[in-house]
Amino acid sequence: GESVGLHLPTLSVQEGDNSIINCAYSNSASDYFIWYKQESGKGPQFIIDIRSNMDKRQGQRVTVLLNKTVKHLSLQIAATQPGDSAVYFCADNQSGAGSYQLTFGKGTKLSVIP
Amino acid sequence: NAGVTQTPKFRILKIGQSMTLQCTQDMNHNYMYWYRQDPGMGLKLIYYSVGAGITDKGEVPNGYNVSRSTTEDFPLRLELAAPSQTSVYFCASRGLGNQPQHFGDGTRLSIL
Repeated sequence: GESVGLHLPTLSVQEGDNSIINCAYSNSASDYFIWYKQESGKGPQFIIDIRSNMDKRQGQRVTVLLNKTVKHLSLQIAATQPGDSAVYFCADNQSGAGSYQLTFGKGTKLSVIP
Repeated sequence: NAGVTQTPKFRILKIGQSMTLQCTQDMNHNYMYWYRQDPGMGLKLIYYSVGAGITDKGEVPNGYNVSRSTTEDFPLRLELAAPSQTSVYFCASRGLGNQPQHFGDGTRLSIL
């Protein structure tokens, strides 16, 4: 089956800078995308989601951008803080699955340099 | 509101032993899921359930069984533990419609 993948396995940013984490997907039928944050020893925590009828969605310090033309998803974190250090996963929902199964990428590890 | 609760948090098993990983949610969610996460990898779906009495296989179901007798509980059973089942197991639940899955904090299982 088709899967979601990430461009970079690790990302280091200076505290206060903006972070951009990228994700590529291959299934043109995917209609729902989610970003999760996973801290060491914990389960994935929901950050933000976006549906395929949108190009951009903003949350508190986070923005998700969806480019359906090139099947690309990005998560932008403004003014990155040490507490943002974690592994970030994107996941997509395969439209028509009925059970809303998610396919996860391997994750990008974000390290914030104080 | 506890969300998704998994027990135990850690367990060490010997090859061939059996055990049940417990998962319960208090959000009245219809959908529940079991994943495994190997080191440095994403999550792989083992089994899922769309409601009480209904379960179905995910991507990697071999060696596992599930049941869903109530909306709240979705236990995962390993009958004959094998070293390849050493992993971190996550349970998740979701409500109706396009909603994110909510995860528990995982069970770390080692099989020696």
